[in-house]
Amino acid sequence: AQSVTQPDIHITVSEGASLELRCNYSYGATPYLFWYVQSPGQGLQLLLKYFSGDTLVQGIKGFEAEFKRSQSSFNLRKPSVHWSDAAEYFCAVLNNAGNMLTFGGGTRLMVKP
Amino acid sequence: DVKVTQSSRYLVKRTGEKVFLECVQDMDHENMFWYRQDPGLGLRLIYFSYDVKMKEKGDIPEGYSVSREKKERFSLILESASTSQTSMYLCASSSHTGNEQFFGPGTRLTVL
Repeated sequence: AQSVTQPDIHITVSEGASLELRCNYSYGATPYLFWYVQSPGQGLQLLLKYFSGDTLVQGIKGFEAEFKRSQSSFNLRKPSVHWSDAAEYFCAVLNNAGNMLTFGGGTRLMVKP
Repeated sequence: DVKVTQSSRYLVKRTGEKVFLECVQDMDHENMFWYRQDPGLGLRLIYFSYDVKMKEKGDIPEGYSVSREKKERFSLILESASTSQTSMYLCASSSHTGNEQFFGPGTRLTVL
């Protein structure tokens, strides 16, 4: 069965600093991978997804993620964090049938002024 | 824009009560999902439905049931609520041809 690990439960960065959120997955085949963001009191919003092709994926709000098969990772990055990026971030992998997501435990990002 | 709505943002119930959480989507999606979200555990799938009157158990179905009588509506039922079911509940939908799930705002349920 697939699984997703987000090693960092909380991360604090200063506004304007760069950001990298880690995601490791366990999956037997080529994974379909997602990053979602949840702002306080809100549902989840899709940031970006990887299905195939270019391993560097661009998303909304200036985020990008890089798929590294050799490391079973799909880390999320942003070059310069804004205070509005404070939220919880979830990495997820799609199952073989293409209809169920398995989520990581989430990383809560705090942004210092 | 895809819209997924949930009947309540906050709900307080007593132990043993029967609880209904409603979810409606307006994009004619075939798939609908119920998740529960707990700190440090991420989202865990309770049930999903791929068509009207069809349902499949997810990872944590115990203590829950679901109903899908119409394509746009998916209900989560707690037959006899317990304090361990205090959580945030998120509904989502997706199409058969797409992989992205669209989420509602969530219902924070407290069972006293």
